[in-house]
Amino acid sequence: DGGITQSPKYLFRKEGQNVTLSCEQNLNHDAMYWYRQDPGQGLRLIYYSQIVNDFQKGDIAEGYSVSREKKESFPLTVTSAQKNPTAFYLCASKKFESSYNEQFFGPGTRLTVL
Amino acid sequence: GIQVEQSPPDLILQEGANSTLRCNFSDSVNNLQWFHQNPWGQLINLFYIPSGTKQNGRLSATTVATERYSLLYISSSQTTDSGVYFCAVVPYQTGANNLFFGTGTRLTVIP
Repeated sequence: DGGITQSPKYLFRKEGQNVTLSCEQNLNHDAMYWYRQDPGQGLRLIYYSQIVNDFQKGDIAEGYSVSREKKESFPLTVTSAQKNPTAFYLCASKKFESSYNEQFFGPGTRLTVL
Repeated sequence: GIQVEQSPPDLILQEGANSTLRCNFSDSVNNLQWFHQNPWGQLINLFYIPSGTKQNGRLSATTVATERYSLLYISSSQTTDSGVYFCAVVPYQTGANNLFFGTGTRLTVIP
C-alpha cells in the first residue's frame, strides 16, 4: 500500500539526548515536511524539503536538524538544544505540481522527555 | 504571517444533528485543506478545496476565496465524527507551500 510511515509511534528521551524520528513515503512525492503539534494547538512547521539534498527551516527550526539523502526519506533529529521537545510530531508529503498542492500526513510520533 | 481562525472552538452535538464549522483566513491562499484528527492523532484528509464546493458523503465544504472563508458541513452526525477538525491554508505566493493551521474545532457527538 502507498503511504507515509513514521516510527517509532512513541519515543521517550532523557534530558541531554539526541533522538531521531523516521519518516518514509512511497508515494513518489517530491516535497516533505515536518510539523510539531502541542496540546490544544494546530501544527507548526519545523523543516521542509522540496528536493533531495536540499531543505529549509520553517518557523520553529531551532533545536532540530534534518537530512534528505533519498527522495523517500526525511528523518528529523531532535537535539539537546531543543528546550521543550515534548510534543506530537507529524511528517507530511506532497507531489510538486503547480496546480495541485494537497498534503498528506503520516500517523505521527509522540515524543516525551523524561 | 497569515492568520487562520476557526469557530466554534468546541461543539457538542446529539447524534443525527447537523453542524457547520467555519474557517476565516487573513490573506489570499493557494490551497485550503480540511482535516479530521482522530483520537490517535492521525490527520485524515477531508477536502482539498482552495475554492468552490465539494461533497463527500455526509460531509461537504465550501470555500469563498474572495471573502477569505471556508465552511465545513457535517450532516447526520455520528459518534465516529468526534475529534478535532482543522482548517489549514497555504498563503498565496509562498515558496515553501507549507500549511498554516488554525487551532481547530473539537467536535463531540453524543449518542
